[in-house]
Amino acid sequence: DVQMTQSPSSLPASVGDRVTITCRASQGIRNDLGWCRQKPGKAPERLIYGASILLSGVPSRFSGSGSGTEFTLTISSLQPEDFATYYCLQYNSYPRTFGQGTKVEIK
Amino acid sequence: EVQLVESGGGLVQPGGSLRLSCAASGFIFSRNWMDWVRQAPGKGLEWVANIKEDGSEKYYVDSVKGRFTISRDNAKNSVYLEMNNLRAEDTAIYYCSRILDDWGQGTLVTVSS
Repeated sequence: DVQMTQSPSSLPASVGDRVTITCRASQGIRNDLGWCRQKPGKAPERLIYGASILLSGVPSRFSGSGSGTEFTLTISSLQPEDFATYYCLQYNSYPRTFGQGTKVEIK
Repeated sequence: EVQLVESGGGLVQPGGSLRLSCAASGFIFSRNWMDWVRQAPGKGLEWVANIKEDGSEKYYVDSVKGRFTISRDNAKNSVYLEMNNLRAEDTAIYYCSRILDDWGQGTLVTVSS
């Protein structure tokens, strides 16, 4: 199985901050990588697929990059609705696997 | 607008069975892979299974192989998860998803005596 390791696990931040989350795959997954946001008590919502492609309706403050084993999610200016938990997920092979999550919390 | 509505969750004893359903609308169901993902209380996301558009291919995480079965009915725009021999560690919110892009609100499965 492909192991996905996210860092950091917790990220204290303030509104307006630029934040970056990293995800590392235990083996190469090309760019078969997505990012999800999960607000407290809500279902996940996909933000990015193909490592860097924003889904329709996702604000441009979100961006993704990387290929192979190293990926990043960047939020250029954190908004109040962005305090949530973020997960990377790989869909290069089975079983699909998620990172353990990064909780972006109010500093 | 894509809508995914799960149902069928509840309290079940260890060793018992449940069948989850997911009713889909707002997209061409028969042209999309469908997934089930679960989240244990206070934990992260775990992919469970998925099924190809025509049902000819199915994949599972190892921990549910032989116990869970995913199926679909394209005439009813629905996907199902049959869960047998349930264990305490299967306790989770189960989400239905369209290729991990769109998600339902989830249904809670609690396995406890």
